[in-house]
Amino acid sequence: EDQVTQSPEALRLQEGESSSLNCSYTVSGLRGLFWYRQDPGKGPEFLFTLYSAGEEKEKERLKATLTKKESFLHITAPKPEDSATYLCAVTRGATNKLIFGTGTLLAVQP
Amino acid sequence: DTEVTQTPKHLVMGMTNKKSLKCEQHMGHRAMYWYKQKAKKPPELMFVYSYEKLSINESVPSRFSPECPNSSLLNLHLHALQPEDSALYLCASSQDMGGEEFFGPGTRLTVL
Repeated sequence: EDQVTQSPEALRLQEGESSSLNCSYTVSGLRGLFWYRQDPGKGPEFLFTLYSAGEEKEKERLKATLTKKESFLHITAPKPEDSATYLCAVTRGATNKLIFGTGTLLAVQP
Repeated sequence: DTEVTQTPKHLVMGMTNKKSLKCEQHMGHRAMYWYKQKAKKPPELMFVYSYEKLSINESVPSRFSPECPNSSLLNLHLHALQPEDSALYLCASSQDMGGEEFFGPGTRLTVL
């Protein structure tokens, strides 16, 4: 059965304290892995798409990486405005539907 | 234009009311989606339209009725909803099914 697991469920960081969020997946025929950021009461904001193991993408303080079993979202020197829920999702060729993980709630304290 | 818009932002309705949610995108995307999201849960897929035709219905109760009038618009008609249907309803679009999905801001629905 296709499954996406995110850890930790919640993470509290001090401003400037770098860390990583994990997204592990079991899916046959991975088509793409997607990272989203969601602020409370708002729609998810697209961050990155990764397609193959070894691929990396960066945007400001965020860097996403992909292996055959998991993806990491690295946050370097976070700021309070990085506080949000980060969602990971995958698609596989047969269904083309996003399969979401349960998210990581990140809080960055000044 | 690189955004998905949704109206209304908030909606309160009784169990006997009929209302509609609207979604619009002008990115030329051919796939459009409706999701339901409960607090502290990920979005849950309801319907997918591809090239204006219903492609996926995730066994959604018939009190939710989707409509795709044209390639830019997506509606969700609501009738005889239950209090447990209260949630954030999200619309999304992508170039094609399986591609990067871009979400709208959502409609916060409360059923009394």
